[in-house]
Amino acid sequence: AQSVTQLDSQVPVFEEAPVELRCNYSSSVSVYLFWYVQYPNQGLQLLLKYLSGSTLVKSINGFEAEFNKSQTSFHLRKPSVHISDTAEYFCAVSVRAQKLVFGQGTRLTINP
Amino acid sequence: NAGVMQNPRHLVRRRGQEARLRCSPMKGHSHVYWYRQLPEEGLKFMVYLQKENIIDESGMPKERFSAEFPKEGPSILRIQQVVRGDSAAYFCASSRGTTTPGELFFGEGSRLTVL
Repeated sequence: AQSVTQLDSQVPVFEEAPVELRCNYSSSVSVYLFWYVQYPNQGLQLLLKYLSGSTLVKSINGFEAEFNKSQTSFHLRKPSVHISDTAEYFCAVSVRAQKLVFGQGTRLTINP
Repeated sequence: NAGVMQNPRHLVRRRGQEARLRCSPMKGHSHVYWYRQLPEEGLKFMVYLQKENIIDESGMPKERFSAEFPKEGPSILRIQQVVRGDSAAYFCASSRGTTTPGELFFGEGSRLTVL
């Protein structure tokens, strides 16, 4: 079975500071990896994904994540955050079909 | 350009009553997934359905919970004889199929409160 651990339940940062949201997974087989974002009172939206190929994947709004197979990690980073990045971020893995296993979520709070 | 539509957004029930949550997938999507989010926890997979078929219900509680996705109309998640522990946010997601792993489109959720 697969599992996902998001090591920080809350991450407060100042605007324009860098941020890293940590995600580790456990699986005995190869996985696909995802980050979803949930803005207040909204559903989840796909932020970025790793399926194969380059281990560094990027989103259109400046986030990036790097798949590290040896450390079984898929940490999410942004070099400079904005107030609008305030949201909850979920790391997820999938082995087959579309069944996603989610982490507990990390609440990112941006302070001015 | 409707996304995944869930209703009701908020539902209050007393213990022992029934809760019905509805989900209309995005246009052109024939796969529906239900997830439950308990307070301070991540999303837990419940069930995966295609039109008129349950594909994977490994996350569904054995009793009181059922799901369907009829040929016509929305997918329904039904909880009979609700208990306080059923209070949670229930999210529906849809996809076209299995060609793009993990690319699910989520609704805004239905928040069930059991008194």
